[in-house]
Amino acid sequence: DAGITQSPRHKVTETGTPVTLRCHQTENHRYMYWYRQDPGHGLRLIHYSYGVKDTDKGEVSDGYSVSRSKTEDFLLTLESATSSQTSVYFCAISTGTGQETQYFGPGTRLLVL
Amino acid sequence: AQSVTQPDIHITVSEGASLELRCNYSYGATPYLFWYVQSPGQGLQLLLKYFSGDTLVQGIKGFEAEFKRSQSSFNLRKPSVHWSDAAEYFCAVGYLTGGGNKLTFGTGTQLKVEL
Repeated sequence: DAGITQSPRHKVTETGTPVTLRCHQTENHRYMYWYRQDPGHGLRLIHYSYGVKDTDKGEVSDGYSVSRSKTEDFLLTLESATSSQTSVYFCAISTGTGQETQYFGPGTRLLVL
Repeated sequence: AQSVTQPDIHITVSEGASLELRCNYSYGATPYLFWYVQSPGQGLQLLLKYFSGDTLVQGIKGFEAEFKRSQSSFNLRKPSVHWSDAAEYFCAVGYLTGGGNKLTFGTGTQLKVEL
């Protein structure tokens, strides 16, 4: 299994509270991704990073920001959590070398009350 | 824009029976195609992938998938299902952008296995 950890694994928070989720990898892969998974929607890309300090938006980026100050860490921040951001969040990594595969972390289950 | 359709939301099969999960994609160029499996409370595990070459690809756990360009399909098959195969299965199409190999996922098929 790819060396990907996510923290926390579960979180309950209140509307309006800032929340930061962390993805940590030990594979030294260049690309990192944040997805959210919701019933009936599959997985949707929130943001991704193609290197340290290099990030870009995905399909559902509104209300989220990201940062990557080190190769191994990719942070997802909800500046002011809303109930619509209740979801399961997955981090993924890939080498970025062309015909590549994304490998996924175990996920973080977030409940916004 | 690319898209993936998994027309079956739920499928129930008996243990030992054959399985086929359908996946249709829409993409203007040659796609990269993937099947992932997700057990309850777990992350996604790669079952198999197609980049080019032989259109019949073998994966882990006895699964295979066939790429049919004319039908824009990448159906997943297994000749004999085991109870442990009960999970949710996701098909995805990959495409290269400046941000690496992005994936667009289908909405998933939930597989139930009856003993």
